[in-house]
Amino acid sequence: DSGVTQTPKHLITATGQRVTLRCSPRSGDLSVYWYQQSLDQGLQFLIQYYNGEERAKGNILERFSAQQFPDLHSELNLSSLELGDSALYFCASSPGHWGEKLFFGSGTQLSVL
Amino acid sequence: AQSVTQPDIHITVSEGASLELRCNYSYGATPYLFWYVQSPGQGLQLLLKYFSGDTLVQGIKGFEAEFKRSQSSFNLRKPSVHWSDAAEYFCAVVEMNTGFQKLVFGTGTRLLVSP
Repeated sequence: DSGVTQTPKHLITATGQRVTLRCSPRSGDLSVYWYQQSLDQGLQFLIQYYNGEERAKGNILERFSAQQFPDLHSELNLSSLELGDSALYFCASSPGHWGEKLFFGSGTQLSVL
Repeated sequence: AQSVTQPDIHITVSEGASLELRCNYSYGATPYLFWYVQSPGQGLQLLLKYFSGDTLVQGIKGFEAEFKRSQSSFNLRKPSVHWSDAAEYFCAVVEMNTGFQKLVFGTGTRLLVSP
């Protein structure tokens, strides 16, 4: 158990809808990272938050947004969903902002029908 | 942009046999390199990392990796594979980007262990 909690584990929705994925980092970790894993794109970095502020941005679509709250949990919001957004979304956390060692949650499997 | 290449999509190894998973990186300066493992239905777990110093790095679960600058490689090895090692393995490199850093992952190698 990595100590990173992601909910829900599975999510099935329809095209055009909006969903929210939630992540609770390990106790004491200030950074939260979001990754998308799909068969065609592999593991892609989306965005990083450090202590409530956006720290780094990767291949995140404009339809996607994230935030980190004062209690350090994070939410990833996906809107106007398309079939191609179906993927496994991972959250990871680390103590600092550097990403020297990431602790991954078990992911949220999103299926867009 | 920095990148890592894992040329083998699948590898099958007999239990008890040795293992080597290949990873090549593209990076101008000294890279920070990682190997992560993903077991079925699980998130990724860090096996080992290389920042500097001794080019042979020991990790958890009996894994090791060797950094070879001349070959731009960071191959993962294990002398004797166990059935529980069946998983997907990802090589990753830290990308320097205007002061912020994020891991760039390879496409992964799926390890199958035969009895």
